[in-house]
Amino acid sequence: AQTVTQSQPEMSVQEAETVTLSCTYDTSESDYYLFWYKQPPSRQMILVIRQEAYKQQNATENRFSVNFQKAAKSFSLKISDSQLGDAAMYFCAYITGANSKLTFGKGITLSVRP
Amino acid sequence: EPEVTQTPSHQVTQMGQEVILRCVPISNHLYFYWYRQILGQKVEFLVSFYNNEISEKSEIFDDQFSVERPDGSNFTLKIRSTKLEDSAMYFCASSGGSGRVDTQYFGPGTRLTVL
Repeated sequence: AQTVTQSQPEMSVQEAETVTLSCTYDTSESDYYLFWYKQPPSRQMILVIRQEAYKQQNATENRFSVNFQKAAKSFSLKISDSQLGDAAMYFCAYITGANSKLTFGKGITLSVRP
Repeated sequence: EPEVTQTPSHQVTQMGQEVILRCVPISNHLYFYWYRQILGQKVEFLVSFYNNEISEKSEIFDDQFSVERPDGSNFTLKIRSTKLEDSAMYFCASSGGSGRVDTQYFGPGTRLTVL
């Protein structure tokens, strides 16, 4: 079965510090795409960052970056200079084909301490 | 910036009643999706829709569910006879359908409560 595992249910970070959220996945496909989505208390799903598996370079988006380890099937999200607005649930997800379904992990709740 | 919209934001219904959840995808997108999230659980795929027909569906999407694109802008999810376990957040998403893997953009969700 194709799965996404987010083993840490909760994490906490001090404002302005850096935090890394872990994700591992399991797929037999060679071509796939990975995503991190943020879900604040409003419960809207907001795209944070995406990574194409064929690209060796890790994606970055302002304070957000990923550490993509293809051989280990690991896709962690690093948030630098954490802000109070980063407090949310974060979901790791992947997709294996164009216009196919997203498969999500269970999510991790991130709290930011002022 | 274009966005996916969903109505209503919250729907309360009695068990056994029919509900229709509405979505307006991003205007130039070609692929549409419904996902659901039971409170405290992960987001689960229900169905994808392209060119006026279902392209993929999950085992959750049984005969009680149906989808429709009644006009050029709306995309609806109908639950024919709601059950208590249908209580969840329902998300609509859309993607460009360029042939590559396009990012799916999500709407704000409809919270469905079945009493």
